[in-house]
Amino acid sequence: DVKVTQSSRYLVKRTGEKVFLECVQDMDHENMFWYRQDPGLGLRLIYFSYDVKMKEKGDIPEGYSVSREKKERFSLILESASTNQTSMYLCASSLLGSMGTDTQYFGPGTRLTVL
Amino acid sequence: AQKVTQAQTEISVVEKEDVTLDCVYETRDTTYYLFWYKQPPSGELVFLIRRNSFDEQNEISGRYSWNFQKSTSSFNFTITASQVVDSAVYFCALSEARDYGGSQGNLIFGKGTKLSVKP
Repeated sequence: DVKVTQSSRYLVKRTGEKVFLECVQDMDHENMFWYRQDPGLGLRLIYFSYDVKMKEKGDIPEGYSVSREKKERFSLILESASTNQTSMYLCASSLLGSMGTDTQYFGPGTRLTVL
Repeated sequence: AQKVTQAQTEISVVEKEDVTLDCVYETRDTTYYLFWYKQPPSGELVFLIRRNSFDEQNEISGRYSWNFQKSTSSFNFTITASQVVDSAVYFCALSEARDYGGSQGNLIFGKGTKLSVKP
């Protein structure tokens, strides 16, 4: 079974803090993704990575950065957390399929509250 | 542009009723993939099914069935004899195939349908 884990289920931070959200997958997947989920807005892609040290912006990258130093780990960084970044953050991974796409498998999510 | 519409925001049924969740998509590509995910109250998105645009066969898995119709750009999901454990938010998603490198078939999600199954 595919296993995607996230470092915290719940996190509370203060405005201006630097926040690291960690995601690890154990299936040797090439692709990794970070989404945020907000009521009424659904899931929106923040960043993704299709290889170590590679990253691409998603739909809402502002205020975020990412790091992928190892294939199994993909970190989301909030350089200076703000209250509008209070959200549920979901990490996902997938193989690089022959058609350039494959099923994404999700972690349990991190519910971040910024005070 | 790609778009996924789940017009039903919330549905409430009584246990053992059948329920259909609607999904309509828009894409300009001829090669694409459609997905359904389930998000129970615990929060994790659970993969249910993936279909490619060349395969319009309907799929049945236990109490779950999916109806893919390219003519109406729909990929509807039916739960037969619903159970309380089916209560969750269900997401339909679309991705387009890409060549190696660059955009890797990112998922476009609908806003989800919250299904409540009451005993």
